[in-house]
Amino acid sequence: GESVGLHLPTLSVQEGDNSIINCAYSNSASDYFIWYKQESGKGPQFIIDIRSNMDKRQGQRVTVLLNKTVKHLSLQIAATQPGDSAVYFCAETPSSNTGKLIFGQGTTLQVKP
Amino acid sequence: DVKVTQSSRYLVKRTGEKVFLECVQDMDHENMFWYRQDPGLGLRLIYFSYDVKMKEKGDIPEGYSVSREKKERFSLILESASTNQTSMYLCASTQHGWGSTEQYFGPGTRLTVT
Repeated sequence: GESVGLHLPTLSVQEGDNSIINCAYSNSASDYFIWYKQESGKGPQFIIDIRSNMDKRQGQRVTVLLNKTVKHLSLQIAATQPGDSAVYFCAETPSSNTGKLIFGQGTTLQVKP
Repeated sequence: DVKVTQSSRYLVKRTGEKVFLECVQDMDHENMFWYRQDPGLGLRLIYFSYDVKMKEKGDIPEGYSVSREKKERFSLILESASTNQTSMYLCASTQHGWGSTEQYFGPGTRLTVT
């Protein structure tokens, strides 16, 4: 069945280092992918998205890479800050127009001062 | 800015009670979703709605029902709450269509059933 998974449940990095959070997806027909950030006590917030016709997209301090060959998605955060500490979810959209998303289980990013 | 609000941040109910969780969005979005979030399981879709009075089951609809009488409001109903429904409940909305399917989330309702 469809599933989206993250490789590591927890990632601990030093403040100022770059962080890389990985995600594997199983539905080769998915055409849209999103990364969400969820801080403690809050709902998930959109970080960045990418369509299947792209392999890289950059935002402010964040980059998403998409490798369709191996069905792998990653989120890179440059110069990680304490405020980046949160749970990060990847999500994919199957080819439909309902806006339905399939979420991965999440990776907790811990930033050490 | 899109705003999705949920009626309660924290709720404590007894086993067997009927529970209503309300969600309201202010961006005229067609699609609305209810998820539950549990440690180690991520977000699991309970129900979604792509139009007023329309609903579709998600991955874990058992024990839940929904109501969408107005476009901006999507309610989740636990007909007879059970302890295994203790969870964080998240509502989300998005526009209809093939374009961006970014979902906007509410702050969540942490429900405890005792």
